[in-house]
Amino acid sequence: KAGVTQTPRYLIKTRGQQVTLSCSPISGHRSVSWYQQTPGQGLQFLFEYFSETQRNKGNFPGRFSGRQFSNSRSEMNVSTLELGDSALYLCASSLMGGLTDTQYFGPGTRLTVL
Amino acid sequence: AQSVTQPDIHITVSEGASLELRCNYSYGATPYLFWYVQSPGQGLQLLLKYFSGDTLVQGIKGFEAEFKRSQSSFNLRKPSVHWSDAAEYFCAVGALMDTGRRALTFGSGTRLQVQP
Repeated sequence: KAGVTQTPRYLIKTRGQQVTLSCSPISGHRSVSWYQQTPGQGLQFLFEYFSETQRNKGNFPGRFSGRQFSNSRSEMNVSTLELGDSALYLCASSLMGGLTDTQYFGPGTRLTVL
Repeated sequence: AQSVTQPDIHITVSEGASLELRCNYSYGATPYLFWYVQSPGQGLQLLLKYFSGDTLVQGIKGFEAEFKRSQSSFNLRKPSVHWSDAAEYFCAVGALMDTGRRALTFGSGTRLQVQP
């Protein structure tokens, strides 16, 4: 069974631009969560989607948004990029979401904002 | 506010030696507790989790962790470390968000180096 895939693996953008990252969950998984990993703030939860609905949300500004499609694939978007948005963005999928299900993480997308 | 503290930023052990990684949490209710490992260039992999019941939890790759409510700790242990265990280890608590649902709140991580 294929794991969680994230595309692209690396991205370079400039301040003020917007970016879209993609995550394909493990087949059959309906929940996708997104996390931001930076040296300064560590790993932080962004949001969780389940059946195309945002079910949970962390403490990030509205510039960070996401969506989920009917095939469970998810995208996250960051608008008006700031230097501090440079990070590794990880997505994780699970069967039904919540924390009693095991979350399987993808390798991440490394975003660099110049 | 919920928080997780991993006091050791970096630990070096010799191959074959025992290992204990410390984790302390601050959480008012019964915590959901997790340990994840991240190898360079990889995502996170779940080692083990604790929700309730037996306070000694067995995980993958020979790891175990013990939940001690009185000490607010969930330390990770392995009796004999292998070179392939070199990685970064994250402790996490399943904290309640404003939505009323839980999400992972991570510690800052402990980087493990294994000497031959």
